[in-house]
Amino acid sequence: GDSVTQMEGPVTLSEEAFLTINCTYTATGYPSLFWYVQYPGEGLQLLLKATKADDKGSNKGFEATYRKETTSFHLEKGSVQVSDSAVYFCALRSGGSNYKLTFGKGTLLTVNP
Amino acid sequence: DGGITQSPKYLFRKEGQNVTLSCEQNLNHDAMYWYRQDPGQGLRLIYYSQIVNDFQKGDIAEGYSVSREKKESFPLTVTSAQKNPTAFYLCASYRGQHPEGYTFGSGTRLTVV
Repeated sequence: GDSVTQMEGPVTLSEEAFLTINCTYTATGYPSLFWYVQYPGEGLQLLLKATKADDKGSNKGFEATYRKETTSFHLEKGSVQVSDSAVYFCALRSGGSNYKLTFGKGTLLTVNP
Repeated sequence: DGGITQSPKYLFRKEGQNVTLSCEQNLNHDAMYWYRQDPGQGLRLIYYSQIVNDFQKGDIAEGYSVSREKKESFPLTVTSAQKNPTAFYLCASYRGQHPEGYTFGSGTRLTVV
């Protein structure tokens, strides 16, 4: 079945540091890939997405590239801010009609001033 | 503005009692989902529904029940058969045919004492 593995946290960085959160996946066919962000006590918000190999998703300074050869979708940001502190989830949606999302376990990021 | 409303935000129940979590959407989305979130476990799918009067079990359906009598509503009942019901529950809906078409509610935190 489908699965997503992302690096375990927590990750603690200083403001303006470089961020990488690794994500690899196992899926049949050609899934769509997502990064979601969850702020404390809230639901999930879509951060970025990619729907086919070599696509780069980007939003708010975050980027991730769909790498089919390594089945990866690593999240990066060049300079993090305190406001980026949140839990980040990597997710995929395989083909098919049920549109289910499969999530990784989440990575807690804390950015200190 | 359209969105998903989950209520209540916090819910306390005694062990052995059934409890129903509300999820309402005014986005005219066909598909709706319930996820359970536990620390370090990511999000796991409980039930989903693609059309009114139809729903399917997800990965961890035991001890839960749902109904889908209206397109806008997808309530989740946590029954006394659920062995460890204390968790954060997230409802989502999906527009269909659009990778970014998922919308999440802000969640209900259920604590069983």
